Amino acid sequence: QKEVEQDPGPLSVPEGAIVSLNCTYSNSAFQYFMWYRQYSRKGPELLMYTYSSGNKEDGRFTAQVDKSSKYISLFIRDSQPSDSATYLCATQGAGGTSYGKLTFGQGTILTVHP
Amino acid sequence: DAGVIQSPRHEVTEMGQEVTLRCKPISGHDYLFWYRQTMMRGLELLIYFNNNVPIDDSGMPEDRFSAKMPNASFSTLKIQPSEPRDSAVYFCASSLEGYQPQHFGDGTRLSIL
Repeated sequence: QKEVEQDPGPLSVPEGAIVSLNCTYSNSAFQYFMWYRQYSRKGPELLMYTYSSGNKEDGRFTAQVDKSSKYISLFIRDSQPSDSATYLCATQGAGGTSYGKLTFGQGTILTVHP
Repeated sequence: DAGVIQSPRHEVTEMGQEVTLRCKPISGHDYLFWYRQTMMRGLELLIYFNNNVPIDDSGMPEDRFSAKMPNASFSTLKIQPSEPRDSAVYFCASSLEGYQPQHFGDGTRLSIL
């Protein structure tokens, strides 16, 4: 079993839809949680960065972390064709052997069609 | 501000050749990471440095892979000899601290024939 599980999709939605992307993880030592967006032939670009449980909002994007269930989510409101990309969740520990080491999910391919 | 810069962007070479990938981290970042991305395995951490010192190389697949960071603004990942199964996209990333967000370059797309 992978440490971070993510449904690879693909996910196709109409423009304006609310998109929900999810990951689960198994290591309770993970304290930092990130979402990256990756366009084709580009590097991952940081979208959201959160510490421990809770919600964080940035424009149309909301990240949620529930450490009790080891579940992380990214919501995209009013989705746009420009949001079409691969979305990667990532987790990281605060110390010990997992310090500094990002563990990524497989990525979810999202297409927003006009 | 300049982001993480990688070169070359594409590399095509024959099996058995030496391959050197280069990375310039964001100025002031103390941590540098090398990742490999494939369809089958996703993004995997190969090695990371703190203040130019290798901290964890447990992700380096074989002795054919080596990485160096001679100074704070330059790192190399070398494969010698290269094999077709090394074909992948190799990313470099840097961060201010180990727990801070990592910023990625646009990668080197490596094809070994």
